[in-house]
Amino acid sequence: AQKITQTQPGMFVQEKEAVTLDCTYDTSDPSYGLFWYKQPSSGEMIFLIYQGSYDQQNATEGRYSLNFQKARKSANLVISASQLGDSAMYFCAMRLSGGGADGLTFGKGTHLIIQP
Amino acid sequence: DAGVIQSPRHEVTEMGQEVTLRCKPISGHNSLFWYRQTMMRGLELLIYFNNNVPIDDSGMPEDRFSAKMPNASFSTLKIQPSEPRDSAVYFCASSLGTSGRNEQFFGPGTRLTVL
Repeated sequence: AQKITQTQPGMFVQEKEAVTLDCTYDTSDPSYGLFWYKQPSSGEMIFLIYQGSYDQQNATEGRYSLNFQKARKSANLVISASQLGDSAMYFCAMRLSGGGADGLTFGKGTHLIIQP
Repeated sequence: DAGVIQSPRHEVTEMGQEVTLRCKPISGHNSLFWYRQTMMRGLELLIYFNNNVPIDDSGMPEDRFSAKMPNASFSTLKIQPSEPRDSAVYFCASSLGTSGRNEQFFGPGTRLTVL
């Protein structure tokens, strides 16, 4: 069975600093996809970034980048130049079967608070 | 473009009552997912459909839970009878179900409180 571990329950970061949110995963399947979602206090789930297990380069989406270390089974989210609006819960998730349409397995999340 | 639509947004009911949650996926998406979020257990996949067919319902907690997808634009999650431990936020999500990134788009959720 697959598992996602997020070891940082909460983080406080100064505005404009870079943030790294940790995520490790466990699966024996060679084909999988990794996702990060943001959940602000309003409750909606917002997709941020995706990394496929066979992707050669780390994914980037604007201020978000994913530090993918396949051998270590880690997929850390990096937010550059943090903003007050980045304060939210962040969830790492995995989907098996690479590009399939399977459900996601989520980690417990990290509560990020950006301080002015 | 309309996103995933869920109704009701909030539901308060008494133990033993039947609860029906509704979801309209994004038009053109052929995969639909139901998740539950609680403080204790986090986000859990309950069931998902591909092309209106249930593929994996192993996350459905008990026989009290059932889900249907009668057509490509509508799905329901029913709890009968409801119990206080069913109190949670229930999310519906949809995706294109093709290869590649295939991210899931979530609805706003239904906050269920069972008294």
